[in-house]
Amino acid sequence: GAVVSQHPSRVICKSGTSVKIECRSLDFQATTMFWYRQFPKQSLMLMATSNEGSKATYEQGVEKDKFLINHASLTLSTLTVTSAHPEDSSFYICSAARTGFSGDQETQYFGPGTRLLVL
Amino acid sequence: AQRVTQPEKLLSVFKGAPVELKCNYSYSGSPELFWYVQYSRQRLQLLLRHISRESIKGFTADLNKGETSFHLKKPFAQEEDSAMYYCALSGRGAQKLVFGQGTRLTINP
Repeated sequence: GAVVSQHPSRVICKSGTSVKIECRSLDFQATTMFWYRQFPKQSLMLMATSNEGSKATYEQGVEKDKFLINHASLTLSTLTVTSAHPEDSSFYICSAARTGFSGDQETQYFGPGTRLLVL
Repeated sequence: AQRVTQPEKLLSVFKGAPVELKCNYSYSGSPELFWYVQYSRQRLQLLLRHISRESIKGFTADLNKGETSFHLKKPFAQEEDSAMYYCALSGRGAQKLVFGQGTRLTINP
């Protein structure tokens, strides 16, 4: 169990258009999901924390109007890159937090990532 | 500020040799430390966490608060251990993870 999917796996779009990336927890409910960005040969950088039913919490330096996050259900969070530019090209990874059976430890399960290329 | 440092970008050892991937952290409170692994063409997955005090795939890691380290060790490396390893930190009860830069481990036959 604890599978997280992302769709699409890769997308190419024109500069100025918007792109939506979906993150789904397939076999568990996730109150909290996270969105990361990873540049080539670099580490994962947290962009925002997505909370079901409330506004996302963005990390410093991340434009909330550019990276729109919606967490409308316990199994789905979406990241929309608005008015995309070539510098937005990157690998976007989501994770979903799942609490252990004993109710204590929480683990993040990661999606496979979405590669975005903006031309 | 929270920070995780993995000083080695690349580490190469021979099969059967001991492995140690270094991780140092900076955090003002009580941290939770994790090791994540990413095998070729696969997603990131949790390898182990310090509060579990368990050994996964022969790997262990001990939290040393005095040295603010959480090095990952395995006494005898196997070829299937070749992967990208990330050390990560979060605050107790918090969920946000801060990742290190990662170390690419290559096990030579």
